[in-house]
Amino acid sequence: GENVEQHPSTLSVQEGDSAVIKCTYSDSASNYFPWYKQELGKRPQLIIDIRSNVGEKKDQRIAVTLNKTAKHFSLHITETQPEDSAVYFCAATPGGAGNMLTFGGGTRLMVKP
Amino acid sequence: GAGVSQSPRYKVAKRGQDVALRCDPISGHVSLFWYQQALGQGPEFLTYFQNEAQLDKSGLPSDRFFAERPEGSVSTLKIQRTQQEDSAVYLCASSLFPANEQFFGPGTRLTVL
Repeated sequence: GENVEQHPSTLSVQEGDSAVIKCTYSDSASNYFPWYKQELGKRPQLIIDIRSNVGEKKDQRIAVTLNKTAKHFSLHITETQPEDSAVYFCAATPGGAGNMLTFGGGTRLMVKP
Repeated sequence: GAGVSQSPRYKVAKRGQDVALRCDPISGHVSLFWYQQALGQGPEFLTYFQNEAQLDKSGLPSDRFFAERPEGSVSTLKIQRTQQEDSAVYLCASSLFPANEQFFGPGTRLTVL
C-alpha cells in the first residue's frame, strides 16, 4: 500500500518568512495529493490539493508543487502570519479525491510574531 | 451549510466497555470515511462507504471494530470490548461523489481507562 513520509515534524519561522513542508510517497499510481491544516482540537481542513496531471498550483499565499518522477510534493507558504500556526498534513491516494487517503505524520508550524 | 458533525465529541470508557460513535455527513454526500488519529500522528484510514455499501474495511484494526451506514446517510462506528490502545480521535469525512474532496468532522476523542 501507499506510504507517505513528511518532513520536518516541527517548523518554526518568523512572521513574514516563508515555510516549506515536504512529503514523499511510495505508490507511483497515486494521483491526488491534498494538504490539510489542523488547529488544536479542530477538524482537518483542506487548504489546497493537486492532481497528478499538474506540476504546480497556487492559491494566494499557498502553493503546492508535485514531482511525479521523484515521487515528492511540497507545500509552500509565503508571508507567514501567526494564524498560519497549526499542524499541516499531506496525503496521497491512488484512487482520486474520493478514495481513502494515506496521511503523512504531520508538521507543526509555529509562526512567531 | 452544515458541515460534517460527530457525536459525542468526547467519550470516556472503561476497558471492556462497548462504545458507539456517530457521524452525520453533509447532506447528499455519497462517500463516507472513518479515520483513526492517534495523538501526534496523522489520520489512518479505517473504512469507507459508498451510500450504504461498505466498500473497504481493510483499515479496521480488529474484529472488535464494526461500522455501518444502513440508510446511506448517518454512520456509526462501534468498538466492542474497548482496549487502552483504542484511545484516539475518530474522524469521519464525507465527499459528494467519489471523485470529490473529503470534508472532515470535528472528531470524537475516545479515552479508554
